[in-house]
Amino acid sequence: DIQMTQSPSTLSASVGDRVTITCRASQSISGWLAWYQQKPGKAPKLLIYKASSLEDGVPSRFSGSGSGTEFTLTINSLQPDDFATYYCQQYNTYSWTFGQGTKVEIK
Amino acid sequence: QVQLVESGGGVAQPGRSLRLSCAASGFTFSAYGMHWVRQAPGKGLEWVGGMSYNGSHLNYVDSVKGRFTISRDNSKNTLYLQMNSLRAEDTAVYYCAKSRRAYCSFSTCYGFFDYWGQGTLVTVSS
Repeated sequence: DIQMTQSPSTLSASVGDRVTITCRASQSISGWLAWYQQKPGKAPKLLIYKASSLEDGVPSRFSGSGSGTEFTLTINSLQPDDFATYYCQQYNTYSWTFGQGTKVEIK
Repeated sequence: QVQLVESGGGVAQPGRSLRLSCAASGFTFSAYGMHWVRQAPGKGLEWVGGMSYNGSHLNYVDSVKGRFTISRDNSKNTLYLQMNSLRAEDTAVYYCAKSRRAYCSFSTCYGFFDYWGQGTLVTVSS
């Protein structure tokens, strides 16, 4: 199976900061990567798919980039609503896998 | 609007069985692949298994192969997860999730999820 590794595991930031989360795949997944946001006690929410395509209704301060084995999620001008845990997920093969998550907390 | 409502969770002893259901509404259920994703308490997300819209592809994570079975009843707009031989490590909130794209059976097409249910908690304990 393809392993997904996110860094950092936890990130402390302030409102207005630019935040970057990295996701690395154990083998090439081309651009078949999605990003999700999850808040405590809630289901995940799709933010980005195909590495850089923004899901409908998601604020433009979220962006994704990368291909092959290295990907990034960037949040420009962090807002209070953005403090949450973020997961990457590869869908290159029929055994889909998530990263372990990155918690973005208030500094 | 799209709604996914899971049910069937609860407490089960190790080795016993449970069946989860996911009732879908607000979209053409038969056109979309559907998945189960779980989250152990305080842990990350783990994809459990998924079925393409037409049933041509049915896949599971290795840890549940031979124990869990996914099925769907398009006439009832319902997805199921039959869980047998339950283990303590199966304890988690189980979410059903809808594939983003319709009429897809390739992994790169139906393998990401735009709507999720609220989840149902399964606890395996003696």
